[in-house]
Amino acid sequence: QSVLTQPPSASGTPGQRVTISCSGSSSNIGTNYVYWYQQLPGTAPRLLIYMDDRRPSGVPDRFSGSKSGASASLAISGLRSEDEADYYCAGWDDRPSGRVVFGGGTKLTVL
Amino acid sequence: EVQLVQSGAEVKKSGESLRISCKGSGYNFGTYWIGWVRQMPGKGLEWMGIIYPGDSNIIYSPSFQGQVTFSADKSINTAYLQWSSLKASDTAIYYCARQTSGWAEIAYWGQGTLVTVSS
Repeated sequence: QSVLTQPPSASGTPGQRVTISCSGSSSNIGTNYVYWYQQLPGTAPRLLIYMDDRRPSGVPDRFSGSKSGASASLAISGLRSEDEADYYCAGWDDRPSGRVVFGGGTKLTVL
Repeated sequence: EVQLVQSGAEVKKSGESLRISCKGSGYNFGTYWIGWVRQMPGKGLEWMGIIYPGDSNIIYSPSFQGQVTFSADKSINTAYLQWSSLKASDTAIYYCARQTSGWAEIAYWGQGTLVTVSS
């Protein structure tokens, strides 16, 4: 059971907008930043969103992050076939002892 | 360019020991935390803990405390993940990962090391 809760799957057709949710608590993303990672098949994860809603250089602006309270979302607009991947949210959890926690991951399928 | 290059895949038997490595380049190795992340077959990412190569300060995730050992040699820009007695359940890909600023902000990842443990 992951500390951060994500839907196991999501899907969309090319050009659509999809969102992936991440639910936590006051000990993690409710008070600390949330981060999003993309993992393409057979590759290492890649940082997609940091500090709730900021994009590293090189990440297309089709990707955006938002947070409200202890819930966060990743939105992907103008969906493309190459967006088919696993997506993970992550954050620092203050309890019971400090550690990084990941969501269980969401597999995005582009139909 | 920041790079993390990990050692190659390993095949071991239960009960054997193992140390895998992660060599950093393109930055001051001693001044950034290096973390380890496990990914079991077909599963998600799990944070194992983190080490500061500058002074070998370590934070283990409670789930991995006592199960693995982190170390680092800043003179050769290398971090290590070690097991004293492997179990079949240790079969996974292990990634080393460099923090940027926030604890969960990992901008740089190694390519991963596949560890296969047979019983």
